[in-house]
Amino acid sequence: DQQVKQNSPSLSVQEGRISILNCDYTNSMFDYFLWYKKYPAEGPTFLISISSIKDKNEDGRFTVFLNKSAKHLSLHIVPSQPGDSAVYFCAASASSGTYKYIFGTGTRLKVLA
Amino acid sequence: DAGVTQSPTHLIKTRGQHVTLRCSPISGHKSVSWYQQVLGQGPQFIFQYYEKEERGRGNFPDRFSARQFPNYSSELNVNALLLGDSALYLCASSFLSSQSNTEAFFGQGTRLTVV
Repeated sequence: DQQVKQNSPSLSVQEGRISILNCDYTNSMFDYFLWYKKYPAEGPTFLISISSIKDKNEDGRFTVFLNKSAKHLSLHIVPSQPGDSAVYFCAASASSGTYKYIFGTGTRLKVLA
Repeated sequence: DAGVTQSPTHLIKTRGQHVTLRCSPISGHKSVSWYQQVLGQGPQFIFQYYEKEERGRGNFPDRFSARQFPNYSSELNVNALLLGDSALYLCASSFLSSQSNTEAFFGQGTRLTVV
């Protein structure tokens, strides 16, 4: 029962172009969403988050879009840089008494110089 | 400022043995969560502790246990290790007890290999 899905295991993008990573969820109780970046041999690093009361949140080169009706969120990275090459995880949580994140399986982004 | 620190970074154990993993949260954070990440998957929630009380437990067998100390550091214990317990074990700390509307910060993880 995969409540958070990242259907693209990998993505390659040219340096300077836009990277778009997608995430779908099934549980309508989720009201907070996060993106984490993970390099090999390191723990996940928090990138950006969005509450369900918003449909967009921007932080520098990173923007997260939330479409509640489609239960879909996406992370846009503009412009993409070689240092962005990593595995990106989407995570979701619910304020209704749970104390955990549900993670997707990750998308490996490769930014080509 | 120190981030979340975990020890040890790598560990090799034999089937049937017991293991203890340790985590120190970010100063001022009272919530510690443990996650297991196996290759090719996202992190899976194991436990959350807040103010020394267990606030949540994932779908893991009773061989897994944890506790939080008065200084908010935490230990994850796994008994009777199985080959399938081989994974990266991640600790995350956050300021609030609820994982909604707050981000958690992860340590570098402990890579456990069971042989």
